[in-house]
Amino acid sequence: DMKVTQMPRYLIKRMGENVLLECGQDMSHETMYWYRQDPGLGLQLIYISYDVDSNSEGDIPKGYRVSRKKREHFSLILDSAKTNQTSVYFCASSLPMGSNERLFFGHGTKLSVL
Amino acid sequence: GDSVTQTEGQVALSEEDFLTIHCNYSASGYPALFWYVQYPGEGPQFLFRASRDKEKGSSRGFEATYDKGTTSFHLRKASVQESDSAVYYCALGEDMGYKLTFGTGTSLLVDP
Repeated sequence: DMKVTQMPRYLIKRMGENVLLECGQDMSHETMYWYRQDPGLGLQLIYISYDVDSNSEGDIPKGYRVSRKKREHFSLILDSAKTNQTSVYFCASSLPMGSNERLFFGHGTKLSVL
Repeated sequence: GDSVTQTEGQVALSEEDFLTIHCNYSASGYPALFWYVQYPGEGPQFLFRASRDKEKGSSRGFEATYDKGTTSFHLRKASVQESDSAVYYCALGEDMGYKLTFGTGTSLLVDP
């Protein structure tokens, strides 16, 4: 069905709590991404995953880590969340042919850290 | 590193107006260039791409031409509709890589 699914859609956490954002895709794409979106800054790349257990830092990895144990599933983890991590987080996937391929995005998770 | 600049943060037009959203890039090698569109409450959607100099990408009446000389990929549409109201992102795919770098986005509002 060519879908990227993100859970949850909305999340409220307190500063210092741990946060887990989940992402799944049904296209068997090898490459997956996590971006965050902030007003005036657009979309900023946090992590890229090339396949299971093969991950690479993006432009703003500090304060985040990722886990990919199955090809169809990619998680973003915030250990001890901070208020400046309040944002909308998008997961995306693509075919493994480099960045000439289009990305398929999920609907996003809106995270508020109080 | 690679970067994308969108100079217009917001654009307000009336239906049937001509649209131009400017996109300039800075990159090494020969990057692929993309336009994505994002509607409220959704994730960005691929609009089209171009991979080589002078190549034109197009979709849904929107078009842009890869210009390596001016390092630009400006989005144009001859006659906008209210349904085109959305945020438009220009993006750059690094040459021989996996990373996609986005501009800051341009919010288009079309009045009926």
